[in-house]
This record gives sequence, structure tokens and C-alpha cells, in this order.
Amino acid sequence: DIVMTQSPDSLAVSLGERATINCKSSQSVLYSSNNKNYLAWYQQKPGQPPKLLIYWASTRESGVPDRFSGSGSGTDFTLTISSLQAEDVAVYSCQQYYSTSLTFGGGTKVEIK
Amino acid sequence: QLQLQESGPGLVKPSETLSLTCTVSGGSISSSSYYWGWIRQPPGKGLEWIGSTYYSGTTYYNPSLKSRVTVSVDTSKNQFSLKLSSVTAADTAVYYCARHTGPSTHNWFDPWGQGTLVTVSS
Repeated sequence: DIVMTQSPDSLAVSLGERATINCKSSQSVLYSSNNKNYLAWYQQKPGQPPKLLIYWASTRESGVPDRFSGSGSGTDFTLTISSLQAEDVAVYSCQQYYSTSLTFGGGTKVEIK
Repeated sequence: QLQLQESGPGLVKPSETLSLTCTVSGGSISSSSYYWGWIRQPPGKGLEWIGSTYYSGTTYYNPSLKSRVTVSVDTSKNQFSLKLSSVTAADTAVYYCARHTGPSTHNWFDPWGQGTLVTVSS
């Protein structure tokens, strides 16, 4: 299985400040034939199912605010919230879909400082 | 708008079989364009993929659960189902059904059902 490791486990950021979440895969999720990274990011608020934010590592889902951005390639990825808003308090998880055996990161909890 | 809804018992006894159904509305599960999956989340923990199925019955399972899991599809009812046998307390979780965004498991999940909590306890 490809192991997805997120860091930090939690972070507290002031409103309007930048939040950065890291996701590292135990092997590359970059498919050489199409040069795409098979990685998605989700946001999960308490009592709700995960909501898709980003796919192909950096493509924002329709309707997702542009303060959310994804970057990285191969084994190292980052989700950035450029200016944290109160409604962004949630757990963020990465998921690889490179392997037939799908795996998620353990999640990063984002709170307001 | 596609919607998914999980249903099934909220309490299962240890060693018994957990059975859940996902009902799809606003779209056809028989579409050749999508796979359909089950994911679970133990209380306070991360997400774990369980397995996925295609309308044809092709399935893929998490290797760590494969010996206990069966995912099946009923196109006549526009539903797909999960059976997990020999459950223990470690199987207590919120169980989600979701749609892959393409005709393979090499896709992300969207949308998701609201989830259903299943507790394993005597």
C-alpha cells in the first residue's frame, strides 16, 4: 500500500493568515504517461462527509474559493489556505488514487488561533 | 443532482456481519462512467477505503479487509451494498458511500453520502 503521511496533525492560524498542510506519499503518485499526480484533497467539517477541494494535486474543484491551492509533485504535496477564514475550520485529508488500493492521509485539523 | 444515502443497522454484535446499503438518486448506478465505493472513519480517526464496485460487478478491495468484505451492486434498485463479516469493536466507524469520478478506481470521490455510524457492541 502507498502510505500517506500528513503533517502537522493540527495547526492553529490567525484569521487572515496562511495555513500550510503537508502530505507525503511513500512512493511517487506521478503517472509518467500523462504527467499527472494522482492526489486529491478533502475538507471535512464536524458531522459532515468529506468535501472535495482539489484533484490532480492542483486542480481546484468548481465552487471552491481560490484561497485554497494545491501544489507538489511525486511524493510531496501541499495544501495552502492563503487567508484563513472562520469557515475554514475543519480537518483536511489527502488521498492518493494512483494505486488500485486507495489510501488517505491521517488528516490535519485546522483551528483559529 | 446526484445523491447517495447509506442505510442499515446502527448496532452490530461482535462476530456478526455488518450490512449496509447505499441508495443512489438523481443518476443511474448502471452508468458506465463511474465506480462506486465505501469508505469508513473510526471515531476521531482518519478515512479508510474499504472497497469499490462497477455496475458490471467488478470489485476492488482494501487488502487489509479483503478476507471479510463483499461489495455488490443491484442495478434494478439503483443500490450498492457492503457486507463486512466477523466484526469487532475495531470496526466501529462512520461508514460512507461515495462515487468515484470516473470509470476506474483511479479517481477521487465525489459526491459522498452523509454517512452512518455503526457501533459494534454486545
